[in-house]
Amino acid sequence: GAGVSQSPSNKVTEKGKDVELRCDPISGHTALYWYRQRLGQGLEFLIYFQGNSAPDKSGLPSDRFSAERTGESVSTLTIQRTQQEDSAVYLCASSKDLPGTDTQYFGPGTRLTVL
Amino acid sequence: DAKTTQPPSMDCAEGRAANLPCNHSTISGNEYVYWYRQIHSQGPQYIIHGLKNNETNEMASLIITEDRKSSTLILPHATLRDTAVYYCIVRTDSWGKFQFGAGTQVVVTP
Repeated sequence: GAGVSQSPSNKVTEKGKDVELRCDPISGHTALYWYRQRLGQGLEFLIYFQGNSAPDKSGLPSDRFSAERTGESVSTLTIQRTQQEDSAVYLCASSKDLPGTDTQYFGPGTRLTVL
Repeated sequence: DAKTTQPPSMDCAEGRAANLPCNHSTISGNEYVYWYRQIHSQGPQYIIHGLKNNETNEMASLIITEDRKSSTLILPHATLRDTAVYYCIVRTDSWGKFQFGAGTQVVVTP
């Protein structure tokens, strides 16, 4: 079946501009996660959504970052007034809302370059 | 969630078994061991996970020591396409983030 999809695959923007990144989770997955991966480094958690619960925003690095999710489908990650240090690959993952196990499945990521 | 320790890199010959170690000496009784891998320029890929018992699937085997303080991921017949960074993660079986460490860079050579 279809996996997690993300768009755009690449985004180049100028410092100070706003960007929106999109994630389409696997159908039927109620949990959705955003991570960031800077060049040569590991994944950093940003935010996650679980059903109708309040999202866990504990990983968002600043108030320039925000995310929304429409029901149990698409999510958008918005970065306002982008800075060069925001350059990274932004990864989205989704998982089923099932007891006993919660395997996350990742999308291919969006590579953001801030000039 | 418990922290994990993995070697930064490993080489493996094509066709041989690759044994990837992971230490998680502070693991709690309700924490699972997960393994993911990330091939260059792709998103992380789930491999396997377990709690106490050894597990096997079509990709790999997971061996967890009796005291659960360490585990080994076994790729039975490594291929060039297995070249990737392999992440060992321990966490409670609840919703929420994975904490990815630096992982092990595995290079499979002909």
